[in-house]
Amino acid sequence: DAKTTQPPSMDCAEGRAANLPCNHSTISGNEYVYWYRQIHSQGPQYIIHGLKNNETNEMASLIITEDRKSSTLILPHATLRDTAVYYCIVRVGAGNNRKLIWGLGTSLAVNP
Amino acid sequence: DTEVTQTPKHLVMGMTNKKSLKCEQHMGHRAMYWYKQKAKKPPELMFVYSYEKLSINESVPSRFSPECPNSSLLNLHLHALQPEDSALYLCASSQVVPRPYGYTFGSGTRLTVV
Repeated sequence: DAKTTQPPSMDCAEGRAANLPCNHSTISGNEYVYWYRQIHSQGPQYIIHGLKNNETNEMASLIITEDRKSSTLILPHATLRDTAVYYCIVRVGAGNNRKLIWGLGTSLAVNP
Repeated sequence: DTEVTQTPKHLVMGMTNKKSLKCEQHMGHRAMYWYKQKAKKPPELMFVYSYEKLSINESVPSRFSPECPNSSLLNLHLHALQPEDSALYLCASSQVVPRPYGYTFGSGTRLTVV
């Protein structure tokens, strides 16, 4: 029951913005989009999440299209430490049955 | 304390052994999760506990037995595992209605079944 599709890999130059796309064309109206990243088999790290509106925090920005069928995670000034696998995730269900449906991830390489 | 702590970090066990993985958090989160992650794959949900009660079991084989003795602790008891069960086992926690920071993951236990 894959809900998201992501490119398997991307490259970005250090200091430039990294724009990671995600398609979630079957998303329902009350399902949130989450982004996590995982660095070399450590535990996944929360980045950002959103429902309809664009969101920004100290790590990244999340741009969600008006029809909610796709989103883009933006790392504004990528550093070498941002090299990781980035997962686009949809949270489904309600109440005690909420769960995260993970995409296959985009492996981002930030190059000097 | 904003961490989820998992022990041990590495575990090697034989197919006839019984072992347990432990997970602890002190953030007041009342939902806790076990995930299994194979190499180059996303994490797969195994179990969800909400208010110390099992709310989701993703059809996990009975050789994996979860336990939530209190709101801070989550265990995963392992018995008669197979080599294909070798993986990174991740624990996570959240508010029951996760906001605003979502789910906090531990660093995982790297399990090898020989």
